[in-house]
Amino acid sequence: SQTIHQWPATLVQPVGSPLSLECTVEGTSNPNLYWYRQAAGRGLQLLFYSVGIGQISSEVPQNLSASRPQDRQFILSSKKLLLSDSGFYLCAWSGQGGYEQYFGPGTRLTVT
Amino acid sequence: DAKTTQPPSMDCAEGRAANLPCNHSTISGNEYVYWYRQIHSQGPQYIIHGLKNNETNEMASLIITEDRKSSTLILPHATLRDTAVYYCIVRVVTGGYNKLIFGAGTRLAVHP
Repeated sequence: SQTIHQWPATLVQPVGSPLSLECTVEGTSNPNLYWYRQAAGRGLQLLFYSVGIGQISSEVPQNLSASRPQDRQFILSSKKLLLSDSGFYLCAWSGQGGYEQYFGPGTRLTVT
Repeated sequence: DAKTTQPPSMDCAEGRAANLPCNHSTISGNEYVYWYRQIHSQGPQYIIHGLKNNETNEMASLIITEDRKSSTLILPHATLRDTAVYYCIVRVVTGGYNKLIFGAGTRLAVHP
């Protein structure tokens, strides 16, 4: 069966520090991968999606970036965090086509 | 993409059926109805989807009206663990990448 992992589970970082969040998927190949963010009390916002290795599409302009160095690995990064980057970051995967997306446990990021 | 309308909140007694409505009066013929839920502090969870026929799986049933302008998600025997925000999403299914957009959803509270 398929499993999606995210780490770390929680993170507290100072403003201006770098960020690296990792997501890996097991049990499937060539998945579509997604990064979402949910600010406190708000809905989910799609940040990035990827349909293959090295193929990243950004949904909103921001100081975050994403990379997909391997088929089942998706990384969210920032060179300098802002206070507004605080939130709940979720990675998800799906097969090709359809809207069944499967979400990871999330990383709760607090920028201080 | 068709707009969906859901009540902001609902209550249900434990053990009773929870019927969550969704209005999508502008739905087009090739748009599917998807349901997700998000339990507090967790990532969204896919529940069920359908095009025009009623669907049932181990989690829920989806009833779509004949004119497809509305649907109802049914949790047959709600438990306290079903307390969550439920999202109704209407999308065209294409090959490759498909973008999910989460609205405000319905906050379902299951009480003893």
